[in-house]
Amino acid sequence: VQLVQSGAEVKKPGASVKVSCKASGYTFTTYTIHWVRQAPGQRLEWMGWINAGNGHTKYSQNFQGRVTITRDTSATTAYMELSSLRSEDTAVYYCAREGVGASEFDYWGQGTLVTVSS
Amino acid sequence: SYELTQPPSVSVSPGQTARITCSGDALPKQYTHWYQQKPGQAPVLVIYKDSERPSGIPERFSGSSSGTTVTLTISGVQAEDEADYYCQSADSSGTYVFGTGTKVTVL
Repeated sequence: VQLVQSGAEVKKPGASVKVSCKASGYTFTTYTIHWVRQAPGQRLEWMGWINAGNGHTKYSQNFQGRVTITRDTSATTAYMELSSLRSEDTAVYYCAREGVGASEFDYWGQGTLVTVSS
Repeated sequence: SYELTQPPSVSVSPGQTARITCSGDALPKQYTHWYQQKPGQAPVLVIYKDSERPSGIPERFSGSSSGTTVTLTISGVQAEDEADYYCQSADSSGTYVFGTGTKVTVL
């Protein structure tokens, strides 16, 4: 199992960013993919998930209206788009696969640094 | 959403036992999982479903649960165990949450 994320991004305040997470080594549509972020020196923060099979999503209230998680089953890739960026969104963004049945995150991507700066 | 509270730091000498707690009102109803995160690296699952250990995780890592508190225990701590540790759970509505994190320092 591997989750490989896209590279680092630098964005200006007010812009949007879209991070990808390419999955391999398992049946993509059988699992749920989550997005988690970590600001410098801060705790892990859950952002939302997508059921890769049916496309259903759920987002943290902390990001409601600003985050969109999608997937492309033919490319076995999940995407996280965050809009209206502000400096506080500077963080490493991770995708993670949820294991079967117990809500744990058994595999993680390597992380993508998003820097928001004018 | 609800909160999961951890002590900010735990210090332990090599060979001793480190215990990290995670407290939350919803924990008796939901499984809790634990992650180890070293600087500059992605988190790694070390305990799932309160007390199960994934393959490849050393036996010195164990978990337990009692009421609104779950505990990660590292027995015979080694220098390589120095890291941040996070608990994580989910509620019945599909919302997920991480604990506040604990920095384990090996003296």
